[in-house]
Amino acid sequence: QSVLTQPPSVSGAPGQRVTISCTGSASNIGAGYDVHWYLQVPGTAPRILISGNNNRRSGVPDRFSGSKSGTSASLAISGLQTEDEADYYCQSYDTSLSAWVFGGGTKLTVL
Amino acid sequence: EVQLVESGGGLVQPGGSLRLSCAASGFPFSDYWMHWVRQVPGKGLVWVSRIDSDGSSTSDADPVRGRFTISRDNAKSTLYLQMNNLRVEDTAVYYCVRPSRVGASVRSYYYYGMDVWGQGTTVTVSS
Repeated sequence: QSVLTQPPSVSGAPGQRVTISCTGSASNIGAGYDVHWYLQVPGTAPRILISGNNNRRSGVPDRFSGSKSGTSASLAISGLQTEDEADYYCQSYDTSLSAWVFGGGTKLTVL
Repeated sequence: EVQLVESGGGLVQPGGSLRLSCAASGFPFSDYWMHWVRQVPGKGLVWVSRIDSDGSSTSDADPVRGRFTISRDNAKSTLYLQMNNLRVEDTAVYYCVRPSRVGASVRSYYYYGMDVWGQGTTVTVSS
């Protein structure tokens, strides 16, 4: 049971837009800690996509965007491409647990 | 090139010990906090431990507290994870991770993303 809750899977057709939610609580996202998003192709290490809630990292296409409101955050991917198929994770810090926490991950399938 | 290279994984029996190493290069290692994150195959990412820049402060996740010890040798630019009393549920790929304040809204390691990841080293605990 992850501290941050993500949908196990999302899917969309090429060119469509999908969003992945990340729901936390008052001790992590709601406490103001930044949310970061990672992409992981199975068998490889994760890589950071979005840091500080909505800042795309170098080399990340502007099709990817992040947002945060209250105790939740979202990753939006527009203009879906087949190469976007991967697992996506959100991450923040939890002050009650004194721990860095991840969502359970969301598998994106491009139909 | 910024790089993290883990080593030391392997097969160990329950109750046994292993020490993981992570060799850092391409950045001033002694300036950064460092983390270990693990991932059971087919499952999600789980934070394990962190250490501050000079090694004077550490923190661990509840499942490993009292069994795992994170440490560092800044002269060798190397991060370690000493794992004792290993359990079957410790089986995972272990990643060495460097955080970064790029994009963070507050200048504090508690707000930083996990910027650089090693390739991971696999630990298997089984009899």
